[in-house]
Amino acid sequence: AQSVTQLDSQVPVFEEAPVELRCNYSSSVSVYLFWYVQYPNQGLQLLLKYLSGSTLVKGINGFEAEFNKSQTSFHLRKPSVHISDTAEYFCAVSVWSGGYNKLIFGAGTRLAVHP
Amino acid sequence: NAGVTQTPKFQVLKTGQSMTLQCAQDMNHEYMSWYRQDPGMGLRLIHYSVGAGITDQGEVPNGYNVSRSTTEDFPLRLLSAAPSQTSVYFCASSYGSAGGNSPLHFGNGTRLTVT
Repeated sequence: AQSVTQLDSQVPVFEEAPVELRCNYSSSVSVYLFWYVQYPNQGLQLLLKYLSGSTLVKGINGFEAEFNKSQTSFHLRKPSVHISDTAEYFCAVSVWSGGYNKLIFGAGTRLAVHP
Repeated sequence: NAGVTQTPKFQVLKTGQSMTLQCAQDMNHEYMSWYRQDPGMGLRLIHYSVGAGITDQGEVPNGYNVSRSTTEDFPLRLLSAAPSQTSVYFCASSYGSAGGNSPLHFGNGTRLTVT
Protein backbone atom coordinates (compact mmCIF):
# COMPACT_ATOMS: atom_id res chain seq x y z
CA ALA A 1 0.00 0.00 0.00
CA GLN A 2 1.16 3.49 -0.75
CA SER A 3 1.67 5.87 2.15
CA VAL A 4 3.14 9.26 2.98
CA THR A 5 5.30 10.14 5.98
CA GLN A 6 5.99 13.72 6.96
CA LEU A 7 8.94 13.55 9.28
CA ASP A 8 8.31 16.72 11.28
CA SER A 9 5.01 17.63 12.89
CA GLN A 10 6.16 21.18 13.66
CA VAL A 11 8.93 23.34 12.24
CA PRO A 12 9.71 26.70 13.90
CA VAL A 13 11.87 29.10 11.91
CA PHE A 14 12.82 32.76 11.95
CA GLU A 15 11.72 35.13 9.21
CA GLU A 16 14.08 35.25 6.19
CA ALA A 17 15.70 31.94 7.15
CA PRO A 18 15.61 28.93 4.80
CA VAL A 19 13.30 26.03 5.53
CA GLU A 20 12.92 22.41 4.45
CA LEU A 21 9.83 20.31 5.14
CA ARG A 22 10.48 16.62 4.72
CA CYS A 23 8.28 14.04 3.03
CA ASN A 24 8.89 10.39 2.29
CA TYR A 25 6.56 8.07 0.44
CA SER A 26 6.29 4.36 -0.04
CA SER A 27 5.31 3.00 -3.38
CA SER A 28 6.19 0.12 -5.62
CA VAL A 29 5.11 1.91 -8.77
CA SER A 30 5.51 5.30 -10.40
CA VAL A 31 3.94 8.06 -8.38
CA TYR A 32 2.55 11.52 -8.69
CA LEU A 33 3.45 13.74 -5.72
CA PHE A 34 1.97 16.95 -4.38
CA TRP A 35 2.36 19.60 -1.71
CA TYR A 36 -0.70 21.45 -0.43
CA VAL A 37 -0.85 24.37 2.03
CA GLN A 38 -3.60 25.13 4.54
CA TYR A 39 -3.86 28.60 6.04
CA PRO A 40 -5.83 28.98 9.30
CA ASN A 41 -9.55 28.27 8.98
CA GLN A 42 -9.31 27.56 5.27
CA GLY A 43 -9.28 24.58 2.96
CA LEU A 44 -6.15 23.29 1.27
CA GLN A 45 -4.65 24.77 -1.87
CA LEU A 46 -2.07 23.32 -4.24
CA LEU A 47 1.53 24.53 -3.86
CA LEU A 48 3.20 22.33 -6.46
CA LYS A 49 3.13 18.90 -8.05
CA TYR A 50 5.45 16.36 -9.62
CA LEU A 51 4.01 14.25 -12.42
CA SER A 52 7.06 13.51 -14.57
CA GLY A 53 10.11 15.18 -16.11
CA SER A 54 12.46 17.46 -14.18
CA THR A 55 12.90 16.34 -10.60
CA LEU A 56 13.03 19.94 -9.34
CA VAL A 57 9.57 21.41 -9.26
CA LYS A 58 8.77 25.06 -8.63
CA GLY A 59 5.51 26.16 -7.10
CA ILE A 60 3.72 29.25 -5.90
CA ASN A 61 4.99 31.67 -3.25
CA GLY A 62 8.66 30.82 -3.92
CA PHE A 63 8.46 27.19 -2.81
CA GLU A 64 10.15 24.33 -4.63
CA ALA A 65 10.46 20.59 -4.12
CA GLU A 66 12.81 17.90 -5.35
CA PHE A 67 11.72 14.41 -6.29
CA ASN A 68 14.31 11.81 -5.31
CA LYS A 69 13.33 8.39 -6.54
CA SER A 70 16.21 6.50 -4.91
CA GLN A 71 15.40 7.98 -1.49
CA THR A 72 11.62 8.01 -2.11
CA SER A 73 11.51 11.59 -0.93
CA PHE A 74 9.82 14.80 -2.02
CA HIS A 75 11.08 17.51 0.33
CA LEU A 76 9.72 21.04 0.17
CA ARG A 77 12.08 24.01 0.41
CA LYS A 78 12.05 27.78 0.48
CA PRO A 79 15.27 29.85 0.65
CA SER A 80 13.77 32.70 2.68
CA VAL A 81 10.46 32.47 4.54
CA HIS A 82 8.01 35.22 5.44
CA ILE A 83 5.60 35.56 8.33
CA SER A 84 2.79 34.93 5.83
CA ASP A 85 4.16 31.42 5.18
CA THR A 86 2.92 30.35 8.61
CA ALA A 87 0.52 27.52 7.78
CA GLU A 88 0.18 23.75 7.74
CA TYR A 89 1.76 21.91 4.82
CA PHE A 90 0.64 18.54 3.52
CA CYS A 91 2.48 16.13 1.27
CA ALA A 92 0.30 13.81 -0.81
CA VAL A 93 0.75 10.86 -3.16
CA SER A 94 -1.58 9.74 -5.91
CA VAL A 95 -2.89 6.20 -5.55
CA TRP A 96 -4.32 4.22 -8.43
CA SER A 97 -7.10 2.02 -7.08
CA GLY A 98 -10.30 0.62 -8.53
CA GLY A 99 -9.66 2.31 -11.85
CA TYR A 100 -9.26 5.82 -10.48
CA ASN A 101 -6.65 8.07 -8.93
CA LYS A 102 -7.07 9.12 -5.30
CA LEU A 103 -4.91 11.37 -3.15
CA ILE A 104 -3.46 10.05 0.10
CA PHE A 105 -2.17 12.75 2.46
CA GLY A 106 0.52 12.80 5.09
CA ALA A 107 -0.16 13.94 8.65
CA GLY A 108 0.98 17.50 7.95
CA THR A 109 3.79 19.79 9.11
CA ARG A 110 2.97 22.99 10.93
CA LEU A 111 5.37 25.75 9.86
CA ALA A 112 5.64 28.62 12.35
CA VAL A 113 7.60 31.65 11.14
CA HIS A 114 8.75 33.98 13.91
CA PRO A 115 9.87 37.61 13.54
CA ASN B 1 -16.24 32.44 -8.39
CA ALA B 2 -17.94 30.27 -5.75
CA GLY B 3 -15.72 27.17 -6.26
CA VAL B 4 -16.53 24.51 -3.65
CA THR B 5 -19.16 25.52 -1.10
CA GLN B 6 -19.70 23.62 2.12
CA THR B 7 -22.55 24.09 4.57
CA PRO B 8 -22.84 24.39 7.49
CA LYS B 9 -19.54 25.80 8.75
CA PHE B 10 -20.14 24.56 12.29
CA GLN B 11 -22.42 21.89 13.72
CA VAL B 12 -22.95 20.33 17.13
CA LEU B 13 -24.77 17.00 17.33
CA LYS B 14 -25.75 14.66 20.12
CA THR B 15 -24.76 11.01 19.89
CA GLY B 16 -27.23 9.13 17.71
CA GLN B 17 -28.50 12.12 15.77
CA SER B 18 -28.31 12.20 12.01
CA MET B 19 -27.35 15.01 9.68
CA THR B 20 -26.18 15.80 6.18
CA LEU B 21 -23.14 17.87 5.31
CA GLN B 22 -23.69 19.69 2.05
CA CYS B 23 -21.12 20.20 -0.70
CA ALA B 24 -21.66 21.95 -4.02
CA GLN B 25 -19.26 22.95 -6.78
CA ASP B 26 -19.87 25.15 -9.79
CA MET B 27 -16.82 24.18 -11.87
CA ASN B 28 -18.40 21.19 -13.65
CA HIS B 29 -15.90 18.88 -11.98
CA GLU B 30 -16.39 15.15 -12.46
CA TYR B 31 -14.49 14.10 -9.34
CA MET B 32 -15.70 14.96 -5.84
CA SER B 33 -14.53 13.64 -2.49
CA TRP B 34 -14.91 13.96 1.26
CA TYR B 35 -12.02 14.03 3.72
CA ARG B 36 -11.89 14.29 7.47
CA GLN B 37 -9.04 16.11 9.19
CA ASP B 38 -7.93 15.10 12.66
CA PRO B 39 -4.90 16.37 14.61
CA GLY B 40 -1.76 14.38 13.83
CA MET B 41 -3.51 12.28 11.20
CA GLY B 42 -3.70 14.62 8.24
CA LEU B 43 -6.60 14.19 5.84
CA ARG B 44 -8.22 10.82 5.39
CA LEU B 45 -10.45 10.00 2.45
CA ILE B 46 -14.00 9.00 3.42
CA HIS B 47 -15.82 8.60 0.10
CA TYR B 48 -15.35 9.79 -3.43
CA SER B 49 -17.26 10.02 -6.69
CA VAL B 50 -16.02 10.08 -10.28
CA GLY B 51 -19.32 11.25 -11.75
CA ALA B 52 -23.06 11.39 -11.22
CA GLY B 53 -24.35 8.03 -10.06
CA ILE B 54 -20.88 6.65 -9.22
CA THR B 55 -19.46 6.57 -5.70
CA ASP B 56 -16.86 4.49 -3.90
CA GLN B 57 -15.32 4.10 -0.45
CA GLY B 58 -12.10 5.69 0.69
CA GLU B 59 -9.90 4.88 3.69
CA VAL B 60 -12.45 5.53 6.47
CA PRO B 61 -16.00 5.03 5.11
CA ASN B 62 -17.68 3.45 8.14
CA GLY B 63 -20.52 5.53 9.58
CA TYR B 64 -20.89 7.69 6.47
CA ASN B 65 -23.06 7.48 3.37
CA VAL B 66 -22.87 9.44 0.14
CA SER B 67 -24.79 9.79 -3.09
CA ARG B 68 -24.19 11.73 -6.31
CA SER B 69 -27.40 12.48 -8.15
CA THR B 70 -26.03 15.57 -9.94
CA THR B 71 -22.58 16.71 -11.08
CA GLU B 72 -22.74 19.71 -8.74
CA ASP B 73 -23.70 18.16 -5.40
CA PHE B 74 -22.09 15.53 -3.19
CA PRO B 75 -23.71 15.37 0.27
CA LEU B 76 -22.22 13.38 3.14
CA ARG B 77 -24.66 11.73 5.53
CA LEU B 78 -24.07 10.68 9.12
CA LEU B 79 -26.88 8.29 9.99
CA SER B 80 -26.13 7.95 13.71
CA ALA B 81 -23.45 10.33 14.93
CA ALA B 82 -20.76 9.11 17.32
CA PRO B 83 -18.17 11.11 19.31
CA SER B 84 -15.46 9.52 17.14
CA GLN B 85 -16.88 11.49 14.21
CA THR B 86 -15.94 14.79 15.83
CA SER B 87 -13.67 16.28 13.19
CA VAL B 88 -13.28 18.88 10.48
CA TYR B 89 -14.74 17.71 7.18
CA PHE B 90 -13.53 18.91 3.80
CA CYS B 91 -15.14 18.47 0.43
CA ALA B 92 -12.85 18.61 -2.60
CA SER B 93 -13.35 18.39 -6.35
CA SER B 94 -11.27 18.17 -9.50
CA TYR B 95 -11.79 18.03 -13.24
CA GLY B 96 -10.29 14.58 -13.65
CA SER B 97 -9.72 11.96 -11.00
CA ALA B 98 -7.57 13.21 -8.13
CA GLY B 99 -3.82 13.03 -8.44
CA GLY B 100 -3.35 13.74 -12.10
CA ASN B 101 -2.98 17.02 -13.94
CA SER B 102 -6.05 18.51 -12.31
CA PRO B 103 -5.52 19.78 -8.74
CA LEU B 104 -8.08 19.27 -5.99
CA HIS B 105 -10.15 22.34 -5.09
CA PHE B 106 -11.16 22.37 -1.44
CA GLY B 107 -14.06 23.93 0.40
CA ASN B 108 -13.48 25.80 3.66
CA GLY B 109 -14.59 22.91 5.82
CA THR B 110 -17.33 21.97 8.29
CA ARG B 111 -16.35 21.69 11.94
CA LEU B 112 -18.49 18.97 13.54
CA THR B 113 -18.68 18.21 17.25
CA VAL B 114 -20.55 15.16 18.54
CA THR B 115 -21.30 15.15 22.26
